[in-house]
Amino acid sequence: GENVEQHPSTLSVQEGDSAVIKCTYSDSASNYFPWYKQELGKRPQLIIDIRSNVGEKKDQRIAVTLNKTAKHFSLHITETQPEDSAVYFCAASNPLGYSGAGSYQLTFGKGTKLSVIP
Amino acid sequence: DVKVTQSSRYLVKRTGEKVFLECVQDMDHENMFWYRQDPGLGLRLIYFSYDVKMKEKGDIPEGYSVSREKKERFSLILESASTNQTSMYLCASYHPAGEYYGYTFGSGTRLTVV
Repeated sequence: GENVEQHPSTLSVQEGDSAVIKCTYSDSASNYFPWYKQELGKRPQLIIDIRSNVGEKKDQRIAVTLNKTAKHFSLHITETQPEDSAVYFCAASNPLGYSGAGSYQLTFGKGTKLSVIP
Repeated sequence: DVKVTQSSRYLVKRTGEKVFLECVQDMDHENMFWYRQDPGLGLRLIYFSYDVKMKEKGDIPEGYSVSREKKERFSLILESASTNQTSMYLCASYHPAGEYYGYTFGSGTRLTVV
Protein backbone atom coordinates (compact mmCIF):
# COMPACT_ATOMS: atom_id res chain seq x y z
CA GLY A 1 0.00 0.00 0.00
CA GLU A 2 0.83 3.66 -0.04
CA ASN A 3 3.26 5.10 2.49
CA VAL A 4 3.53 8.84 3.10
CA GLU A 5 6.44 10.38 4.99
CA GLN A 6 6.17 13.96 6.23
CA HIS A 7 8.89 16.29 7.53
CA PRO A 8 9.51 18.08 9.75
CA SER A 9 7.30 16.96 12.62
CA THR A 10 7.55 20.40 14.23
CA LEU A 11 8.38 23.77 12.71
CA SER A 12 8.70 27.18 14.33
CA VAL A 13 8.97 30.34 12.25
CA GLN A 14 8.86 34.05 12.92
CA GLU A 15 5.79 35.90 11.77
CA GLY A 16 6.29 37.05 8.20
CA ASP A 17 8.77 34.31 7.32
CA SER A 18 8.03 31.40 5.01
CA ALA A 19 7.34 27.81 6.05
CA VAL A 20 7.92 24.70 3.98
CA ILE A 21 6.64 21.21 4.76
CA LYS A 22 7.73 18.25 2.68
CA CYS A 23 6.16 14.88 1.96
CA THR A 24 7.21 11.83 0.02
CA TYR A 25 5.01 9.00 -1.18
CA SER A 26 5.72 5.48 -2.31
CA ASP A 27 2.99 4.47 -4.76
CA SER A 28 3.61 5.85 -8.23
CA ALA A 29 -0.09 5.27 -9.02
CA SER A 30 -1.13 7.99 -6.54
CA ASN A 31 -2.30 11.07 -8.37
CA TYR A 32 -4.11 13.27 -5.88
CA PHE A 33 -2.32 15.10 -3.06
CA PRO A 34 -4.33 17.21 -0.61
CA TRP A 35 -3.12 19.19 2.38
CA TYR A 36 -5.17 19.58 5.53
CA LYS A 37 -4.90 22.08 8.34
CA GLN A 38 -6.06 21.11 11.80
CA GLU A 39 -6.33 23.81 14.43
CA LEU A 40 -6.31 22.80 18.07
CA GLY A 41 -9.51 20.98 18.98
CA LYS A 42 -10.96 21.24 15.48
CA ARG A 43 -11.45 18.96 12.51
CA PRO A 44 -8.94 18.76 9.65
CA GLN A 45 -9.87 21.13 6.85
CA LEU A 46 -8.70 20.94 3.26
CA ILE A 47 -6.56 23.97 2.40
CA ILE A 48 -5.13 23.10 -0.98
CA ASP A 49 -4.68 20.09 -3.22
CA ILE A 50 -2.89 19.15 -6.40
CA ARG A 51 -3.36 16.49 -9.00
CA SER A 52 -0.53 14.72 -10.72
CA ASN A 53 -1.06 16.42 -14.06
CA VAL A 54 0.00 19.73 -12.49
CA GLY A 55 3.41 20.67 -11.10
CA GLU A 56 2.41 23.63 -8.96
CA LYS A 57 -0.72 25.26 -7.59
CA LYS A 58 -1.06 28.49 -5.67
CA ASP A 59 -3.82 30.03 -3.57
CA GLN A 60 -2.91 33.39 -2.08
CA ARG A 61 -0.20 32.74 0.52
CA ILE A 62 -0.11 28.97 0.14
CA ALA A 63 1.29 26.90 -2.68
CA VAL A 64 1.93 23.25 -3.32
CA THR A 65 4.54 21.78 -5.63
CA LEU A 66 4.69 18.24 -6.92
CA ASN A 67 7.63 16.30 -8.33
CA LYS A 68 6.23 13.06 -9.72
CA THR A 69 9.59 11.69 -10.73
CA ALA A 70 10.98 12.01 -7.23
CA LYS A 71 7.58 11.24 -5.64
CA HIS A 72 7.57 14.20 -3.36
CA PHE A 73 5.36 17.21 -2.82
CA SER A 74 5.66 20.26 -0.63
CA LEU A 75 3.50 22.90 1.02
CA HIS A 76 4.78 26.46 1.01
CA ILE A 77 3.29 29.16 3.21
CA THR A 78 4.57 32.70 2.67
CA GLU A 79 4.22 35.73 4.96
CA THR A 80 3.18 33.51 7.84
CA GLN A 81 0.74 34.83 10.41
CA PRO A 82 -0.06 33.61 13.94
CA GLU A 83 -3.35 32.16 12.69
CA ASP A 84 -1.34 29.81 10.48
CA SER A 85 -0.29 27.97 13.65
CA ALA A 86 -1.79 24.49 13.42
CA VAL A 87 -0.99 20.91 12.54
CA TYR A 88 -0.69 20.31 8.81
CA PHE A 89 -1.21 16.91 7.20
CA CYS A 90 -0.27 15.86 3.71
CA ALA A 91 -1.97 12.93 2.05
CA ALA A 92 -1.81 10.86 -1.10
CA SER A 93 -4.54 9.02 -2.90
CA ASN A 94 -4.77 6.42 -5.57
CA PRO A 95 -6.73 7.41 -8.68
CA LEU A 96 -10.03 9.03 -7.90
CA GLY A 97 -13.29 7.58 -9.01
CA TYR A 98 -14.95 4.23 -8.81
CA SER A 99 -12.48 1.99 -10.52
CA GLY A 100 -12.53 -0.38 -7.62
CA ALA A 101 -12.67 -0.63 -3.89
CA GLY A 102 -9.94 1.33 -2.21
CA SER A 103 -9.14 3.47 -5.21
CA TYR A 104 -9.89 6.71 -3.44
CA GLN A 105 -8.70 6.26 0.08
CA LEU A 106 -6.24 8.78 1.46
CA THR A 107 -3.04 7.84 3.22
CA PHE A 108 -1.90 10.61 5.54
CA GLY A 109 1.48 11.76 6.72
CA LYS A 110 2.02 11.99 10.46
CA GLY A 111 1.59 15.72 10.57
CA THR A 112 3.68 18.85 11.11
CA LYS A 113 3.00 21.16 14.02
CA LEU A 114 3.64 24.68 12.77
CA SER A 115 4.11 27.46 15.29
CA VAL A 116 4.26 31.04 14.06
CA ILE A 117 5.91 33.29 16.61
CA PRO A 118 4.60 36.88 16.68
CA ASP B 1 -21.66 23.43 3.45
CA VAL B 2 -21.25 19.70 3.69
CA LYS B 3 -21.98 18.52 7.18
CA VAL B 4 -20.46 15.44 8.76
CA THR B 5 -21.82 15.01 12.25
CA GLN B 6 -20.44 12.72 14.89
CA SER B 7 -22.92 12.03 17.63
CA SER B 8 -20.58 12.38 20.60
CA ARG B 9 -17.69 14.74 21.22
CA TYR B 10 -16.42 12.92 24.30
CA LEU B 11 -17.04 9.38 25.50
CA VAL B 12 -15.77 7.43 28.49
CA LYS B 13 -16.29 3.69 28.41
CA ARG B 14 -15.15 0.73 30.47
CA THR B 15 -12.89 -2.05 29.25
CA GLY B 16 -14.93 -4.80 27.64
CA GLU B 17 -17.91 -2.62 26.77
CA LYS B 18 -19.34 -2.61 23.26
CA VAL B 19 -19.05 0.93 21.90
CA PHE B 20 -20.88 2.53 19.00
CA LEU B 21 -19.59 5.69 17.33
CA GLU B 22 -22.07 7.25 14.95
CA CYS B 23 -21.43 9.43 11.92
CA VAL B 24 -23.99 11.08 9.66
CA GLN B 25 -23.41 13.12 6.50
CA ASP B 26 -25.98 15.20 4.69
CA MET B 27 -24.60 15.39 1.16
CA ASP B 28 -25.56 12.00 -0.24
CA HIS B 29 -21.88 10.98 -0.43
CA GLU B 30 -21.26 7.35 -1.24
CA ASN B 31 -17.84 7.11 0.37
CA MET B 32 -17.34 7.29 4.11
CA PHE B 33 -14.33 6.62 6.30
CA TRP B 34 -13.32 6.11 9.89
CA TYR B 35 -9.87 7.23 11.05
CA ARG B 36 -8.23 7.30 14.42
CA GLN B 37 -5.83 10.09 15.29
CA ASP B 38 -3.04 9.62 17.81
CA PRO B 39 -0.17 12.00 18.63
CA GLY B 40 2.84 11.33 16.45
CA LEU B 41 0.97 8.79 14.33
CA GLY B 42 -1.25 11.05 12.27
CA LEU B 43 -4.52 9.74 10.89
CA ARG B 44 -4.80 6.02 10.33
CA LEU B 45 -7.62 4.44 8.37
CA ILE B 46 -9.71 1.88 10.24
CA TYR B 47 -12.51 1.07 7.80
CA PHE B 48 -14.22 2.65 4.86
CA SER B 49 -17.40 2.13 2.89
CA TYR B 50 -18.13 2.99 -0.72
CA ASP B 51 -21.79 2.02 -0.72
CA VAL B 52 -24.61 0.94 1.52
CA LYS B 53 -23.82 -2.40 3.16
CA MET B 54 -20.34 -2.36 1.62
CA LYS B 55 -17.24 -2.10 3.76
CA GLU B 56 -13.51 -2.47 3.35
CA LYS B 57 -10.77 -2.81 5.92
CA GLY B 58 -8.28 -0.02 6.23
CA ASP B 59 -4.82 -0.18 7.75
CA ILE B 60 -5.80 -0.93 11.36
CA PRO B 61 -9.15 -2.79 11.44
CA GLU B 62 -8.36 -5.15 14.32
CA GLY B 63 -10.80 -4.75 17.20
CA TYR B 64 -13.27 -2.74 15.13
CA SER B 65 -16.22 -3.37 12.88
CA VAL B 66 -18.53 -1.06 10.95
CA SER B 67 -22.10 -0.85 9.81
CA ARG B 68 -23.62 1.04 6.89
CA GLU B 69 -27.32 0.32 6.65
CA LYS B 70 -28.19 3.70 5.17
CA LYS B 71 -26.19 5.90 2.85
CA GLU B 72 -25.98 8.81 5.26
CA ARG B 73 -24.89 6.87 8.33
CA PHE B 74 -21.65 5.03 8.99
CA SER B 75 -21.13 3.49 12.40
CA LEU B 76 -17.89 2.33 13.98
CA ILE B 77 -18.21 -0.47 16.51
CA LEU B 78 -15.70 -1.46 19.13
CA GLU B 79 -16.77 -5.00 19.94
CA SER B 80 -14.97 -5.13 23.29
CA ALA B 81 -13.29 -1.85 24.15
CA SER B 82 -9.71 -1.94 25.35
CA THR B 83 -7.49 0.77 26.80
CA ASN B 84 -5.35 0.86 23.65
CA GLN B 85 -8.40 2.06 21.77
CA THR B 86 -8.37 5.31 23.69
CA SER B 87 -8.02 7.82 20.89
CA MET B 88 -9.61 10.55 18.81
CA TYR B 89 -11.89 9.06 16.16
CA LEU B 90 -12.63 11.03 13.01
CA CYS B 91 -15.29 10.24 10.48
CA ALA B 92 -15.07 11.60 6.93
CA SER B 93 -17.14 11.51 3.80
CA TYR B 94 -15.81 11.95 0.32
CA HIS B 95 -17.18 13.18 -2.96
CA PRO B 96 -15.09 12.94 -6.11
CA ALA B 97 -16.50 15.90 -8.00
CA GLY B 98 -18.57 19.04 -7.79
CA GLU B 99 -18.44 22.04 -5.50
CA TYR B 100 -17.73 20.06 -2.35
CA TYR B 101 -15.32 17.50 -3.73
CA GLY B 102 -12.78 15.98 -1.45
CA TYR B 103 -12.89 14.81 2.12
CA THR B 104 -15.02 16.47 4.78
CA PHE B 105 -14.29 15.49 8.34
CA GLY B 106 -16.54 15.38 11.36
CA SER B 107 -15.56 17.15 14.57
CA GLY B 108 -14.24 13.95 16.11
CA THR B 109 -15.08 11.78 19.10
CA ARG B 110 -12.51 11.59 21.85
CA LEU B 111 -12.93 8.15 23.36
CA THR B 112 -11.38 7.19 26.67
CA VAL B 113 -11.46 3.55 27.70
CA VAL B 114 -10.86 3.00 31.40
